[in-house]
Amino acid sequence: EVQLVESGGGLVQPGGSLRLSCAASGFTFSSYWMYWVRQAPGRGLVWVSRINSDGSSTTYADSVKGRFTISRDNTKNTLYLQMNSLRAEDTAVYYCARYGTRCFDSWGQGTLVTVSS
Amino acid sequence: QSALTQPASVSGSPGQSITISCSGTSSDVGGYNYVSWYQQHPGKAPKLMIYDVSNRPSGVSNRFSGSKSGNTASLTISGLQAEDEADYYCGSYTSSSTIWVFGGGTKLTVL
Repeated sequence: EVQLVESGGGLVQPGGSLRLSCAASGFTFSSYWMYWVRQAPGRGLVWVSRINSDGSSTTYADSVKGRFTISRDNTKNTLYLQMNSLRAEDTAVYYCARYGTRCFDSWGQGTLVTVSS
Repeated sequence: QSALTQPASVSGSPGQSITISCSGTSSDVGGYNYVSWYQQHPGKAPKLMIYDVSNRPSGVSNRFSGSKSGNTASLTISGLQAEDEADYYCGSYTSSSTIWVFGGGTKLTVL
């Protein structure tokens, strides 16, 4: 069974940093592109960042470019999102998602990031 | 504002059929057969229901079906059940620098 388990969310002050993790199991992690998708309270889904299967290529939404860094450790089956210079508008539930057949075929349960003073 | 346009809400009675639309452009929905649909219950993670416009993943009820005409994709749920009440999001690959776009979501209410 595919499992994605996020961790690392919490309350942080504006300008602060957080590192999210997503532990993967039940599939060959190193074969899949992975995404971070976020959902602000009461709002829709927005992709934040993606990384290719071996970690050599990354892409970011304009809203987080230069502040967030996605990475992965295929030896630990773990995806990461380093978030710096956090803003109130970054407040959201952050999901890691597996990119399968031209779609997001598996999602984690999400981790809540709250940016507030 | 989301890149793909969905109605904010739809409703139907148990046993009825409903259709949720997802309107895009020739750069996304209309240009590729890479439309997918996701169901999200309150406080839960999204779940893939349809991919590549009309394909159902293993384990998804055949009451769910997808289609596309031009720049608009549709999700149809037949034989509505109470458990279908949820938010539904469409998503599509896009040739723009955005890479992937979601719709704003549609809240389905089963009356």
